[in-house]
Amino acid sequence: EPEVTQTPSHQVTQMGQEVILRCVPISNHLYFYWYRQILGQKVEFLVSFYNNEISEKSEIFDDQFSVERPDGSNFTLKIRSTKLEDSAMYFCASRAMTTQETQYFGPGTRLLVL
Amino acid sequence: QKEVEQDPGPLSVPEGAIVSLNCTYSNSAFQYFMWYRQYSRKGPELLMYTYSSGNKEDGRFTAQVDKSSKYISLFIRDSQPSDSATYLCATLNQAGTALIFGKGTTLSVSS
Repeated sequence: EPEVTQTPSHQVTQMGQEVILRCVPISNHLYFYWYRQILGQKVEFLVSFYNNEISEKSEIFDDQFSVERPDGSNFTLKIRSTKLEDSAMYFCASRAMTTQETQYFGPGTRLLVL
Repeated sequence: QKEVEQDPGPLSVPEGAIVSLNCTYSNSAFQYFMWYRQYSRKGPELLMYTYSSGNKEDGRFTAQVDKSSKYISLFIRDSQPSDSATYLCATLNQAGTALIFGKGTTLSVSS
């Protein structure tokens, strides 16, 4: 069964450093998402991406964040200058063109900012 | 007012019990409602979704939406220890671009 994959599974970084989280969505999906989950809190929407551009972003997704689809398979989330409060689990999700109700999530990247 | 509210529990039941998990939502324009299951330190896994009001059944799981009261339910029959997880209710925003999650209810089924 096809699945969303994410790398790395864990990342530890120093405050102020840049990190890039990588995702490989399901191959025939065209809509891509990033969500985050701070420990003990809700899963929160960050950004949605379609046709090589951002379709929606939340208040959390400020100028420190960016997304890119550098090639036909990868989807990345970059945090330019990490803060302590960026420590969270980051989930990538994807969906097919015709099924807006079914987003499939990856296993997540646990980011720890020290 | 929070858009999706869910009692975080924890909820502990014996094996074989019927489990009822519930959420409320605030925006009457929401049309799609989902239930995800999340095991510890893993990604959310879609269990089932419903559109508008009504029931949907999938094996031991039944999802129910009552739009008049803005109430979402998930029922698990004959619960098993493997059902122990956090259950997240979610709705799709009006634009269809983002999922809005509840906080999740942690369920423990003991054998």
